[in-house]
Amino acid sequence: KAGVTQTPRYLIKTRGQQVTLSCSPISGHRSVSWYQQTPGQGLQFLFEYFSETQRNKGNFPGRFSGRQFSNSRSEMNVSTLELGDSALYLCASSLDPGREKLFFGSGTQLSVL
Amino acid sequence: SQKIEQNSEALNIQEGKTATLTCNYTNYSPAYLQWYRQDPGRGPVFLLLIRENEKEKRKERLKVTFDTTLKQSLFHITASQPADSATYLCALDRGSTLGRLYFGRGTQLTVWP
Repeated sequence: KAGVTQTPRYLIKTRGQQVTLSCSPISGHRSVSWYQQTPGQGLQFLFEYFSETQRNKGNFPGRFSGRQFSNSRSEMNVSTLELGDSALYLCASSLDPGREKLFFGSGTQLSVL
Repeated sequence: SQKIEQNSEALNIQEGKTATLTCNYTNYSPAYLQWYRQDPGRGPVFLLLIRENEKEKRKERLKVTFDTTLKQSLFHITASQPADSATYLCALDRGSTLGRLYFGRGTQLTVWP
C-alpha cells in the first residue's frame, strides 16, 4: 500500500507570491492533517480535514488555508508569502479523526526568498 | 495550550548502551502520548503510543513509560545501534475528541560505534 504522497518535494517562491501544496493520503484514509515544521518552533498544527470539512484549525493567520476533495486528497494554500513561511510542510493521514496514530508524508520544503 | 519539553536537543551515546529520552508536559493531562522517529528529510514515523492509564509499554528494544503525576514520559532504546540515530519526537493529544497532536521539538540521538 502506497504511503502518504506530497508534491512538490521542494519549492522556491518569493515574498508576496502564493503557493499550493498537495497531499494524497494512504488509500482508505479519510482524515488529513497538516503541520508546519521549522527549526525554531518544531511541528505546529495547521488544520485537519475529514469528509471535505475542516474539523480543527491551529493558530495560524488566514493566509493559510486548505481544502479536501471527495477522494480525500488535500491541498493547502499560503497566500502573500512571507520569509517566515519558509518551512517543511508535512501532511499526515489517518483512517478517521478518532485514530490516534498518524502516517506522515515526506513533506514539501518551501523556501521563501 | 499545552507546553512540551524534551530533555535536550541532542544526545550522544555509545553503541550497545541504553538511550533514555525525556518528555515533560504542563497543563492538562493528555489521554495518550506518542513517540515518533524522524530521519533527515523525511516525515515522522510512529513508534509507540501509551495511554494515561498505562504505566509502561514495550516494543522490541523500545520501552516507554508514562507518569501522569510527574507529567513525564521516558523513552528508552536498549542495546542501541548506529541505525537508531535520528530525531525522536514526543506528541500529546490536544485534549478533545477530534483533537490532533502537540509535538515537542525533539531530541536528536546519535549512536556512535
